[in-house]
Amino acid sequence: AQSVAQPEDQVNVAEGNPLTVKCTYSVSGNPYLFWYVQYPNRGLQFLLKYITGDNLVKGSYGFEAEFNKSQTSFHLKKPSALVSDSALYFCAVRDRGGSGGYNKLIFGAGTRLAVHP
Amino acid sequence: EAQVTQNPRYLITVTGKKLTVTCSQNMNHEYMSWYRQDPGLGLRQIYYSMNVEVTDKGDVPEGYKVSRKEKRNFPLILESPSPNQTSLYFCASADRARDSETQYFGPGTRLLVL
Repeated sequence: AQSVAQPEDQVNVAEGNPLTVKCTYSVSGNPYLFWYVQYPNRGLQFLLKYITGDNLVKGSYGFEAEFNKSQTSFHLKKPSALVSDSALYFCAVRDRGGSGGYNKLIFGAGTRLAVHP
Repeated sequence: EAQVTQNPRYLITVTGKKLTVTCSQNMNHEYMSWYRQDPGLGLRQIYYSMNVEVTDKGDVPEGYKVSRKEKRNFPLILESPSPNQTSLYFCASADRARDSETQYFGPGTRLLVL
């Protein structure tokens, strides 16, 4: 079965420091990987995706993620955190096994990022 | 502006009182789906639709119904809501029925069933 794990419920970072939010996955075949962010009282916003190509993917708001096939990881990173980055972050993999119309996303449990001034 | 809209955004209801959450997209997308978000569980798919009049169950369909009579609309129906359906609901759409690269999510509907 395909799955996504976000091992940290919460990550605390000081403003200006680099941040990493971890994600590991288990899929058959080549993964389609995504990061979404949910700000308080807001919907789910797309940050970035890995489909194929360069292992380092750049996305919105200065975020990037590194796809590592050998470690089956897709960690989200940012060189310098902002207080406004505080939000709930979800890693997801697209289910390519055929269920959900080949578009179903399997989400991790989410990681709450708290950036302190 | 390309978007997915949901209504209502917040809803408090009582057990057994039928309700409908509407979802509409203006991007002419073929694929639409509903997810529910619960703490510690992430988002789980409830139902999906690959096109008009084509719908199927996701991972947690019990207690829900959907319909897709028009391409742009995909309402979620709770015939007899129960407290375990208290959750945050998201509608999503994608341009192709299969193998879309990106899904777009609505703003969410927070439902409380008393």
